[in-house]
This record gives sequence, C-alpha cells and structure tokens, in this order.
Amino acid sequence: GAGVSQSPSNKVTEKGKDVELRCDPISGHTALYWYRQSLGQGLEFLIYFQGNSAPDKSGLPSDRFSAERTGGSVSTLTIQRTQQEDSAVYLCASSLGYFQETQYFGPGTRLLVL
Amino acid sequence: QKEVEQDPGPLSVPEGAIVSLNCTYSNSAFQYFMWYRQYSRKGPELLMYTYSSGNKEDGRFTAQVDKSSKYISLFIRDSQPSDSATYLCAMAGDYKLSFGAGTTVTVRA
Repeated sequence: GAGVSQSPSNKVTEKGKDVELRCDPISGHTALYWYRQSLGQGLEFLIYFQGNSAPDKSGLPSDRFSAERTGGSVSTLTIQRTQQEDSAVYLCASSLGYFQETQYFGPGTRLLVL
Repeated sequence: QKEVEQDPGPLSVPEGAIVSLNCTYSNSAFQYFMWYRQYSRKGPELLMYTYSSGNKEDGRFTAQVDKSSKYISLFIRDSQPSDSATYLCAMAGDYKLSFGAGTTVTVRA
C-alpha cells in the first residue's frame, strides 16, 4: 500500500515568511509524528499526534512552530516568521497506534530559508 | 552528554566485508531498539526492530542488544554496494524515538 507522503518535497523561502508543510500518513495509522533533521543535529522529535490530539508538543523549538491534524489523517506543520536556523529536513512518520511496533517515515520536506 | 551516541564515521569497506555498527545509550527507560537505513535525500527506512536483549537476524542483517551494557549493534554480512547509506540507531521507552547521529557507510565494488 501507499506509504507516508509529504509535500512539498522542497521549499525555498525568504526569512520572515510563513511556510506550511503537509503530511499524509499511512491509511489507518492513528499516530503521527514530526521530526526535524539538521546537519550536525541528527533527528530530533518535534510533536506527536494521537488521532487529532497532540499530547506531546515538547519538541517544538519555539512558539513560531505549530501543527494540527484533522480527520485523524492529514497533518500540517506551520512555521511562522521563518529564520535561517529553521533550514532543515522535516520528516513525518506514522504508526498504527500508540507506538505499535514502529514508525514509518515519509521522504521529508527540505526547507531552505534564505 | 547525548542520550544516544553513535560514531558518525564515515565507514568504507570492500564489497563482501562485514559491516559493524554500534550505539551506546544512557537512558535505562529505553525498551525498544531499532535500526534505520537512510539513502541520500530519502526518509529513514526501518531495517530491524527489537525489544529485548539478545540477537535478532533477518537475512544479511543481525541486530544485537545488550541492555546491561546499554549497547546495541548492527552487523551486515556480505555487504553490497547497494548497502551504501547512512545507518541510524533509534530507541524509545514509549512513542518518542531518540536517534543516534547516524553512520555513513560506503561499500566499494
């Protein structure tokens, strides 16, 4: 079946602009996760959704970052007033339930803030 | 100190060699241990998953977990050029994965 998909694949924006990143999880997966992968930082957890609720937002680096999930499916990660340090690959993953076996990752969105 | 330590390499081996990768961790709450493979400009792909100490084998891949030493390993036998990628260890006590920095492996034909 289809895996996790993310859009856009690449995004170039100017400092100060807002961006929206989209994630479509595997059908039937109730848990959804966002991670950020930066050079020298590795993969870091941002936020976790169970259904439409986000019980853990502890990884969001600042209040410029927000995320929502609707219909227990698609999720959007929004970064307001982007900064150059926001440049990274943003990865989405989904799992069948609360840490059911493991998380399956999408291809990521490569964000470059100029 | 990071929760998960992984030597970033790079590691270069000839085709057919055994590739040995490892991670150490400090959080005793970790119960689940995974290895992901990531090709350039792609998302991580799950290779191995274990939740107990001991060995788990899947084809050319063997994962080892030693909870008493807080040490995990991945071995790749008969390595192929297609195994050239970055290998990430990951572990969790619940839903939040903590990753190693990743080891970049090149298998030379």
